Amino acid sequence: AQSVAQPEDQVNVAEGNPLTVKCTYSVSGNPYLFWYVQYPNRGLQFLLKYITGDNLVKGSYGFEAEFNKSQTSVHLKKPSALVSDSALYFCANRYNFNKFYFGSGTKLNVKP
Amino acid sequence: DVKVTQSSRYLVKRTGEKVFLECVQDMDHENMFWYRQDPGLGLRLIYFSYDVKMKEKGDIPEGYSVSREKKERFSLILESASTNQTSMYLCASSLTESQGYYEQYFGPGTRLTVT
Repeated sequence: AQSVAQPEDQVNVAEGNPLTVKCTYSVSGNPYLFWYVQYPNRGLQFLLKYITGDNLVKGSYGFEAEFNKSQTSVHLKKPSALVSDSALYFCANRYNFNKFYFGSGTKLNVKP
Repeated sequence: DVKVTQSSRYLVKRTGEKVFLECVQDMDHENMFWYRQDPGLGLRLIYFSYDVKMKEKGDIPEGYSVSREKKERFSLILESASTNQTSMYLCASSLTESQGYYEQYFGPGTRLTVT
C-alpha cells in the first residue's frame, strides 16, 4: 500500500537550533512527496515538494527537505528554528491520479 | 495567488439535519477535493472531483455526497448529520497531472459540530 508515516506526534526545539520533522514513505515506483504546514485555525499551506532529482529540495520560509531513497525518508529540516515556525506539519504522498495520502501530522513547538 | 474559500468557518448543526458545505476556487483548477481532519488521523479524503459532474469516492465516503455543477465550485453534502461527523472539513484544489503541477491549495476549513 502507498502511504506515509510521521513517527513523532510532537517535536520540541529551542529557537535558533536546527529542526527536523521526520517522514517515511512506502510507495511502489517513484515517490511524489510533499510537505505542508498548518497554523492554528487555518488551512494547509504548501511548503515544498520532492518529485525527482536532487536529494535536497528547498522550499518556502527557509525550509528544506532531505530525501533518502535507501531509508525511504523525506525529512523536513530548517537550520535555525523560529518561534513563528510553531505549527502542525504534514507530509503527503501523491498516488493514483492526483490523490494524496497524508500523514497524521507532527506538532512543532519552538520555545524562545 | 490561488484562493480557495469555504462558505463557513464554524457551523453547528443538529443530528439528522442535511448540511451543505460549499467550496469555491478562483484559479480554474480541474481537481477539487474534500477532506476531514481529525486529531491523530491527519487528513482523510472523502471525495475527489476531476471535472465538472465527475467525482470519485475517497477513503471515507460513507454518509457524504458531493456536487460539482461548475468548475469553480465543489459542494459537500451530509445527507443526515450524525455526531461522528463532527470534524474539521478542508477543501482543496489543484491542477491536473498532465499540466505538471501537483500541489494542492487549501481553503481555511469549516469546523462542523453536530449536536
